[in-house]
Amino acid sequence: DSGVTQTPKHLITATGQRVTLRCSPRSGDLSVYWYQQSLDQGLQFLIQYYNGEERAKGNILERFSAQQFPDLHSELNLSSLELGDSALYFCASSSGKGNQPQHFGDGTRLSIL
Amino acid sequence: GESVGLHLPTLSVQEGDNSIINCAYSNSASDYFIWYKQESGKGPQFIIDIRSNMDKRQGQRVTVLLNKTVKHLSLQIAATQPGDSAVYFCAEVYNNNDMRFGAGTRLTVKP
Repeated sequence: DSGVTQTPKHLITATGQRVTLRCSPRSGDLSVYWYQQSLDQGLQFLIQYYNGEERAKGNILERFSAQQFPDLHSELNLSSLELGDSALYFCASSSGKGNQPQHFGDGTRLSIL
Repeated sequence: GESVGLHLPTLSVQEGDNSIINCAYSNSASDYFIWYKQESGKGPQFIIDIRSNMDKRQGQRVTVLLNKTVKHLSLQIAATQPGDSAVYFCAEVYNNNDMRFGAGTRLTVKP
């Protein structure tokens, strides 16, 4: 058990809809990272927050946004969903800003019908 | 492994043998490297890391080797067990937070 909790485990929705994925980091970790894992693209870094502030941005679409709250949990919002957004979304956390192991949750599987 | 690519490199070894998984990284300025293991239905799990000022690091049954000259990273697993069957990813970190993952290698351990 990594200590990172993601909810929900599975999400099925339709094109055009909006969903929110939630992540609780390991106790004491200040950084939260979001990744997308799809069959044809592997693990793609989306965004990192550190202690409530956005720290790094990767291949995140404009339709996607995230935030980290004062209690350090994070939410990833995906809007105007398209079929191609179907993927596993992982959250990871680490204690510092970078150059440390990241501990991953078990992901949310998003299926767009 | 349903969460990973369809055309992953694969490595099949006999239980008890040593395994070597290779990874070529892209950025010569990357200064931190990590190996992760991903089992079916789970998130990547940290195995071992190494910083660019080292060329070898050992853990429990695992060793990571770093060759910066050719931008190559390897993971050696001693006495491979059926529980080691998984997809293994290397990751390189540049500029303290830009992390890129390799495509992964599927390791299958035959009993």
